Amino acid sequence: DGGITQSPKYLFRKEGQNVTLSCEQNLNHDAMYWYRQDPGQGLRLIYYSQIVNDFQKGDIAEGYSVSREKKESFPLTVTSAQKNPTAFYLCASRKNPEVAGGNEQFFGPGTRLTVL
Amino acid sequence: QQPVQSPQAVILREGEDAVINCSSSKALYSVHWYRQKHGEAPVFLMILLKGGEQKGHEKISASFNEKKQQSSLYLTASQLSYSGTYFCGTGPTVNMGDDKIIFGKGTRLHILP
Repeated sequence: DGGITQSPKYLFRKEGQNVTLSCEQNLNHDAMYWYRQDPGQGLRLIYYSQIVNDFQKGDIAEGYSVSREKKESFPLTVTSAQKNPTAFYLCASRKNPEVAGGNEQFFGPGTRLTVL
Repeated sequence: QQPVQSPQAVILREGEDAVINCSSSKALYSVHWYRQKHGEAPVFLMILLKGGEQKGHEKISASFNEKKQQSSLYLTASQLSYSGTYFCGTGPTVNMGDDKIIFGKGTRLHILP
């Protein structure tokens, strides 16, 4: 079955430690996205990548880093510089549309990160 | 810049109708609607494109007013399964090189039996 997987579902880390969240898709989608979700804040864009080896900052990129070495994978690293990392993190992917904005995004199940 | 959704929350009885609004301060090229159940991933409902027609999915439909930079989601004869948080997403702009969707803060919908 095609889809997006994120692992692990729950993650606990001590303050000051870097942590990497996994996101893999086998939908052959070109673009991948990372969102952060906090209560009452909606989905805020952290980073996105439209092609391999290229990515752009979203609205809240500070304290995060990404890589896009393979089309299928877009890992997100939450660094110790992120002041409030506890949140629900969602990865999404999307086929590059023929018409701008014309394609839906598919979301993974999310990773709930808790920093103690 | 996040689109603004209203209302923030709605409580309905099963069978009642609801309207959720989404507005932007920037010119809209497309509007996306998603629904998220608690603890789950958002699920796609529909896309409305500039110059396109009103869309519908079962008893859920949406409109897109390009001049007012607004979209509305209409839920008719609501069912218990409609409960969840609804997000609108806007974008991208005409520049295809910046293909990202910016989501609003969401509207929580709770359907009572």
